[in-house]
Amino acid sequence: EAGVTQFPSHSVIEKGQTVTLRCDPISGHDNLYWYRRVMGKEIKFLLHFVKESKQDESGMPNNRFLAERTGGTYSTLKVQPAELEDSGVYFCASSQETRGEQYFGPGTRLTVT
Amino acid sequence: GNSVTQMEGPVTLSEEAFLTINCTYTATGYPSLFWYVQYPGEGLQLLLKATKADDKGSNKGFEATYRKETTSFHLEKGSVQVSDSAVYFCALVTGGGNKLTFGTGTQLKVEL
Repeated sequence: EAGVTQFPSHSVIEKGQTVTLRCDPISGHDNLYWYRRVMGKEIKFLLHFVKESKQDESGMPNNRFLAERTGGTYSTLKVQPAELEDSGVYFCASSQETRGEQYFGPGTRLTVT
Repeated sequence: GNSVTQMEGPVTLSEEAFLTINCTYTATGYPSLFWYVQYPGEGLQLLLKATKADDKGSNKGFEATYRKETTSFHLEKGSVQVSDSAVYFCALVTGGGNKLTFGTGTQLKVEL
């Protein structure tokens, strides 16, 4: 069974540009989460989807971030326009049950210059 | 709110040395506690967990005991191997939630 996959693995963009990160959860997992680790600090929760619905988006830092999960399968996280402080590693996780074990992807390292 | 504090890294040990990575927490309610590990180039993997006070989680020779009185969940291993080199994250979740709160991570490097 394939694990959680994320694309791209690395992205380097200039301030003001747009970047879209993609996450493919484990097949059959209704729950999908986005987390972010900035500059070696703690990993912070961004949001949680149940199927295509946003269950909790309390961790989204501001309106420059837009997450979607059309059709309840893969998810995208768009940052527009990117700022320097958005640099970090963005992790995606999925789980079968709402309170079940979360399986993480390898992360996307975003560098904004 | 919830928070997790881990010891600063990096931690460098010789193979077969004893490992302790400290983790303390503050939480509303009664949290479940976790240790995740991230090997180079891979995603976070759940290493072990404990869901109530005095529970001991264990896996791959690693252990951690849920200490409510000291609000701690220290990770230990009696004899580390080079293959244990990774970043270790302590985390918690409270109540019926699923929003993980992580510590800053501790990088472990094990040398021959």
